[in-house]
Amino acid sequence: DAGVIQSPRHEVTEMGQEVTLRCKPISGHNSLFWYRQTMMRGLELLIYFNNNVPIDDSGMPEDRFSAKMPNASFSTLKIQPSEPRDSAVYFCASSRTSLTSEQYFGPGTRLTVT
Amino acid sequence: GIQVEQSPPDLILQEGANSTLRCNFSDSVNNLQWFHQNPWGQLINLFYIPSGTKQNGRLSATTVATERYSLLYISSSQTTDSGVYFCAVEEGGADGLTFGKGTHLIIQP
Repeated sequence: DAGVIQSPRHEVTEMGQEVTLRCKPISGHNSLFWYRQTMMRGLELLIYFNNNVPIDDSGMPEDRFSAKMPNASFSTLKIQPSEPRDSAVYFCASSRTSLTSEQYFGPGTRLTVT
Repeated sequence: GIQVEQSPPDLILQEGANSTLRCNFSDSVNNLQWFHQNPWGQLINLFYIPSGTKQNGRLSATTVATERYSLLYISSSQTTDSGVYFCAVEEGGADGLTFGKGTHLIIQP
């Protein structure tokens, strides 16, 4: 079975541009998570969905960030407008259930904002 | 929120050596996972171990939930074991993993 799929793998954009990151969770998994990894803050949870519904977005840094999950097989994380401090690796993960279930991570999207 | 502390932060070993990585957490957890982040940045699942002991080849892990710690053992290290090892936990009643800062392991030939 395919794992979690993310696209693009690398994104370079200029400050002020809109960036959209995409994720396809593992088929049959009901929960989806977005994480961000930076040198300064390590790996941190941004938002997660359960059965396509956003449950907790308290980790989203500010209003420039938004996430959607229109169906069980697709989610997006959008940054508008992007800033250099948004440069990071963004990971998507999925799990079978929301509680006590192993999470599987995608390969990540490395975002560079110049 | 829950605190996760990993030790040591850095570890340099010769090929063939054994090592023990530790993860302490500040509250009860429903989920504990160990990951290996390889030099290409990929997060590889090693163990899902909220309690008890598991083994997979040269790797094994033990979580003592009542004492709020977990240990990852690597035996007969190989250069391909190099990378960062993360412990991540999920609090009881909450979702989403809280990660430790990781242990950076370098295995020299």
